[in-house]
Amino acid sequence: QQQVKQSPQSLIVQKGGISIINCAYENTAFDYFPWYQQFPGKGPALLIAIRPDVSEKKEGRFTISFNKSAKQFSLHIMDSQPGDSATYFCAASVLGSGGSQGNLIFGKGTKLSVKP
Amino acid sequence: GAGVSQTPSNKVTEKGKYVELRCDPISGHTALYWYRQSLGQGPEFLIYFQGTGAADDSGLPNDRFFAVRPEGSVSTLKIQRTERGDSAVYLCASSFGVSGEAFFGQGTRLTVV
Repeated sequence: QQQVKQSPQSLIVQKGGISIINCAYENTAFDYFPWYQQFPGKGPALLIAIRPDVSEKKEGRFTISFNKSAKQFSLHIMDSQPGDSATYFCAASVLGSGGSQGNLIFGKGTKLSVKP
Repeated sequence: GAGVSQTPSNKVTEKGKYVELRCDPISGHTALYWYRQSLGQGPEFLIYFQGTGAADDSGLPNDRFFAVRPEGSVSTLKIQRTERGDSAVYLCASSFGVSGEAFFGQGTRLTVV
């Protein structure tokens, strides 16, 4: 049973455009939702994360939108640049009740290509 | 070093052999995590340590997989009787406590032939 479903699998965006990646989760106990960026041959790196007490979080060109009732969250990359070309993973974990920020359930990933 | 270090970066082994993968976490990080990432997939949780003890090993696929962290720093993931299906990138991450951001290493690419 896939607990975090991510779409699309791949995405091509023109430079300067908006990239949008969506994730849906099933476990209502999840209370930490990060997005990771991974370049080929590298480990994932935390991009931005959100807790369910807010509906949106913005850091620079990256924004997470969170819809608790729909159990969905999304990543928006504004003014996408060729350097943003990478694979993006959404993830979720349970921090409450002794959980850990690093004990994560990942989506399958979205390969983003930003064309110059 | 400044980041999480994993050695070796690549490992090719024959089916049935035993392998050890090493992870050096960021200095001072108390929590350490192992993940496995198959081609085209997201990382899959295996085990995490808080200090020397395994706080959650629910992701280990079977008893061929074992991990230790005897002094609360370096960790070794051990795989016995390797199978071709074990081929993947094994990622290690560490964090300062369970509420800290998890930083990932570059991974060890294991190929079982």
